Amino acid sequence: EADIYQTPRYLVIGTGKKITLECSQTMGHDKMYWYQQDPGMELHLIHYSYGVNSTEKGDLSSESTVSRIRTEHFPLTLESARPSHTSQYLCASSGEGRGNYGYTFGSGTRLTVV
Amino acid sequence: GNSVTQMEGPVTLSEEAFLTINCTYTATGYPSLFWYVQYPGEGLQLLLKATKADDKGSNKGFEATYRKETTSFHLEKGSVQVSDSAVYFCALLSGNTPLVFGKGTRLSVIA
Repeated sequence: EADIYQTPRYLVIGTGKKITLECSQTMGHDKMYWYQQDPGMELHLIHYSYGVNSTEKGDLSSESTVSRIRTEHFPLTLESARPSHTSQYLCASSGEGRGNYGYTFGSGTRLTVV
Repeated sequence: GNSVTQMEGPVTLSEEAFLTINCTYTATGYPSLFWYVQYPGEGLQLLLKATKADDKGSNKGFEATYRKETTSFHLEKGSVQVSDSAVYFCALLSGNTPLVFGKGTRLSVIA
């Protein structure tokens, strides 16, 4: 049973549209993350948050933005989508403690920009 | 900085063959090590973990031993099944920095 939920699962949109990818978790985890996965499988960290009102950029430069107003919710927004944003986006969360249980991942959102 | 290097795929095996996917790491301090699996069309699932040197993580017939002397965490399974076909990621967690992943290894098991 999934404890972290991403919506939508699939999205096809036109260039220039604004979109928000939703991510929610019910585990009370303080830390949440967004990864972009390219077709070659490699995962790139694009944003993370260690608590409410705290967000950081990841290793891969991204034109997306995130917010963390509530512990359980970590949405990712693209103000103006482009074909180069076509990818799979994975959300994850983790609890306190030094690597105790790793990360829990959502099922992902596969975004196609046409 | 922290990094993970895992063997490139794809790896294709016959059912019941022995599997090894190599993983080595570079990290400061004493990281925790993980293997994640991603089945087609899904997110990542934690397969197994080890939090200190000489620990052995195991799950679903897969095993990996945290070897500090060789900075390795190789994934092994004695007899793979078609249902094991997936992408496998080695990862490390050190300090307060986010999880660092290897590039992934695609495994295909044929009947």
